[in-house]
Order: sequence, then C-alpha cells, then structure tokens
Amino acid sequence: GAVVSQHPSRVICKSGTSVKIECRSLDFQATTMFWYRQFPKQSLMLMATSNEGSKATYEQGVEKDKFLINHASLTLSTLTVTSAHPEDSSFYICSARTGGFTDTQYFGPGTRLTVL
Amino acid sequence: AQKVTQAQTEISVVEKEDVTLDCVYETRDTTYYLFWYKQPPSGELVFLIRRNSFDEQNEISGRYSWNFQKSTSSFNFTITASQVVDSAVYFCALSEAGDYKLSFGAGTTVTVRA
Repeated sequence: GAVVSQHPSRVICKSGTSVKIECRSLDFQATTMFWYRQFPKQSLMLMATSNEGSKATYEQGVEKDKFLINHASLTLSTLTVTSAHPEDSSFYICSARTGGFTDTQYFGPGTRLTVL
Repeated sequence: AQKVTQAQTEISVVEKEDVTLDCVYETRDTTYYLFWYKQPPSGELVFLIRRNSFDEQNEISGRYSWNFQKSTSSFNFTITASQVVDSAVYFCALSEAGDYKLSFGAGTTVTVRA
C-alpha cells in the first residue's frame, strides 16, 4: 500500500507556542490530504480537507485561525497549531488520498501533541 | 446523523477463536465506498479493505474475510483463528461518491488473549 509519513511523532510544548506538523505522501502524489484529531478511546474526527494549491476546507466547529493548514505541493501538507493550549493536546493524524480507480485514504502514523 | 454504526465496543477472545465485527451504515447515495482500518496500540491506521457499492462479492484475504450485504446495509468483518497480533481497534468507514471524506464508526476494540 501507499506510504504516508508524519513528523514529528511526538511533541511537547509550552502553552502559547505554535507547533507545526508535517504530512508527506512518500510514494504517490496526493491532491487531497485530510487532518483528523483523535481523543483517547474515541474515533477519528475530521478537522479539515487540504487541497493542493487552494485553501483548506474546515469542518464545522474547527477554528481555521487556530489550525492553519497549508498544502504547498502534491506530497506535503502541514498543520500548524497556533498559540497552543492544554485543551489542544491530542493525537493528530493525517491521511492522503490516492485518487484513481482504487481511490483510498492512507494514514500517517500520527503526532501526539502535549501542551503544558 | 451517524452514518456508520459499530455497535460492539469491545470484544475479547482467546487465541484461535474466530471474531466477527459488525458494521452497519446509512447513506442515500447509490454510489459509495466502505472501508475497514486497523489501529494497533502504536496508533497508526492500517488500511485493510475498500469495497464499492456495486460490488457485493465477499472477499477473503488470509485470515480476514468481509461480508457485504446491501439489503441490510452491513459490511461485517471476520477474523478467523485470531492471534494476539490481531489485538487492535478496528474502524469501519463510509465515503459517499463525490465527497471523498470518511465517516468513521466508533470503533471496536478487539483483545486476543493467549
């Protein structure tokens, strides 16, 4: 299957700082990537859809100024959590869509964010 | 409205037992796609299968098999002769044509005891 990487895998930061998470499709080009958030023992919640070369589309209730998304190339999308606070602590997972006949989302390994 | 329902929260079995995970979905589209993903303790979601709404053939891949029944809007997943490495959270998901977003079920935690 297709490979998606995510960096960093784990980050601890102080309240008020910004954190950038990178999502890369390693062996395919992805015009669309997605960002999810997952709380402990819960399902994945879609935060936003990232389209290469255009603005991201955010789900209802997700603050676009808080979670900045940039999809500058066909293999890279970034999520920046601005002015992070303890309530932003979570597991963030990205996925990349392969497109084509067997259109499937493949997921990155996730980033564990802890805000102190 | 919840589009994907996984009614089983947790299932615990002894190694070599079979385990079936239920997934019921809801959509008004005639074209849609169903998926199963596995999330082991490491956290990464592993793609298992994609099925489109026009293909009701059941599928078998090693110890994994899937039963798709449009009449009951179900896409159930069976692990045969379970192993400890099968312990994970399993998610069923639905994507409607033209949307590409995945609607996930709540997930079923499978614990396989040696």
